[in-house]
This record gives sequence, structure tokens and C-alpha cells, in this order.
Amino acid sequence: DAGVIQSPRHEVTEMGQEVTLRCKPISGHNSLFWYRQTMMRGLELLIYFNNNVPIDDSGMPEDRFSAKMPNASFSTLKIQPSEPRDSAVYFCASSLVSLSRTEAFFGQGTRLTVV
Amino acid sequence: GQNIDQPTEMTATEGAIVQINCTYQTSGFNGLFWYQQHAGEAPTFLSYNVLDGLEEKGRFSSFLSRSKGYSYLLLKELQMKDSASYLCAVNRDNYGQNFVFGPGTRLSVLP
Repeated sequence: DAGVIQSPRHEVTEMGQEVTLRCKPISGHNSLFWYRQTMMRGLELLIYFNNNVPIDDSGMPEDRFSAKMPNASFSTLKIQPSEPRDSAVYFCASSLVSLSRTEAFFGQGTRLTVV
Repeated sequence: GQNIDQPTEMTATEGAIVQINCTYQTSGFNGLFWYQQHAGEAPTFLSYNVLDGLEEKGRFSSFLSRSKGYSYLLLKELQMKDSASYLCAVNRDNYGQNFVFGPGTRLSVLP
């Protein structure tokens, strides 16, 4: 398997523009997570899905952020309008809930810069 | 609230042993995970504890005490490539997966 695939790897956009980040989880995994990582705040959970259903979105900063998972193989995180403080690395991760281990596997991340 | 603490930075010498501590207070507990993250890369899974005690995997071991809300990651025979950040994470959801990560410990291995 190719692992979790995120696109784009890098995104530079102007303040006020819409940004869409994409994620393809590992085939067969039933949970998907969106994280944001900054030097100041570390790795923060934004939202997670189980079987394509959003379970906890309490980490989503504000209404400018939205996430969707239309099917088991694709998810998007959208920021509209973007602001400079949204600059961070955004990671998508997926896992398979089982009775034993449930570790998450991370994609390579999208480095977002809002200028 | 959710609180996970780790030392910010540690330094050790090649060939030595280092212990990275993690303390946690979370609303639920369903396992503690350690991840390694090299600069500019994604976190990668290292170890998992759900019961008290020591889990050993090669040069890396992880310990958990649920009553104390405490875990540590032990790295033996340190190599230069072990220089990275080490993240402690707790699954606080008893029926699913809701991971909260600690701030990470940046380990520098010196020759």
C-alpha cells in the first residue's frame, strides 16, 4: 500500500483565498484524522471521522474550517477565507479500529503558507 | 481538560541510554502511543501500551503506569539517526479513536 496520500505537499496562498487540502487514507482503514502542527501549539487534532461520519470536530478552530469525507477513500479540509495565522503543516492520518492496536498512520503533510 | 506533558528538549551521547517521560491527565484512556518525528517529516508509530508494564521492541521500550498517569520511552544504544522529536499520544476514547498528542520532546544525539 502507498500509505496515506496528501495533496498538495506545499501551498502558498494569499489571505482571503479559499484553500482545499486533500487526503486519501490507507485502503481498508475506517478512521481518518486531520491534524494541524505548529511550533507554538504542537500537533492538534482538528476533526476525526469514523466510517465516513464526523465523530468529533471540537478541534476545528472556527467556521472558516470545514471537512468532508464523501467516501471511504477521500477526504478534504477546506479553509475559507484563509488567514496568515492558518499557516501550519496539516497532516491527515488513518487507522483501523480493532481489538488490538489502533495506531494512526500519517501522510506526509501539506505545508500551508498564507501571506 | 486534556493535559499531556513532556520535557521540551533532551541531549544524549551516541551509544548511551535515554529515557523520555510523559505524564497525562485525560478525560478517558484507551491506550498510550509513542511516535517519532524527524524534522520536516510525518510522525511514525513506535510503540503502544494499554496495560501497565513494559513493552520492548528492539532498542526501544515503553512503560506505562495507568494509576500514575505516567509513561516513558527508553531508547538504548543511541544512534545519530535517533535525533528527532518524540511524541506521546493518548487515545481518550474508550469506544473509538480520539488521540491527543503531547508537545513532543526534541532529542539531540551527539557523537
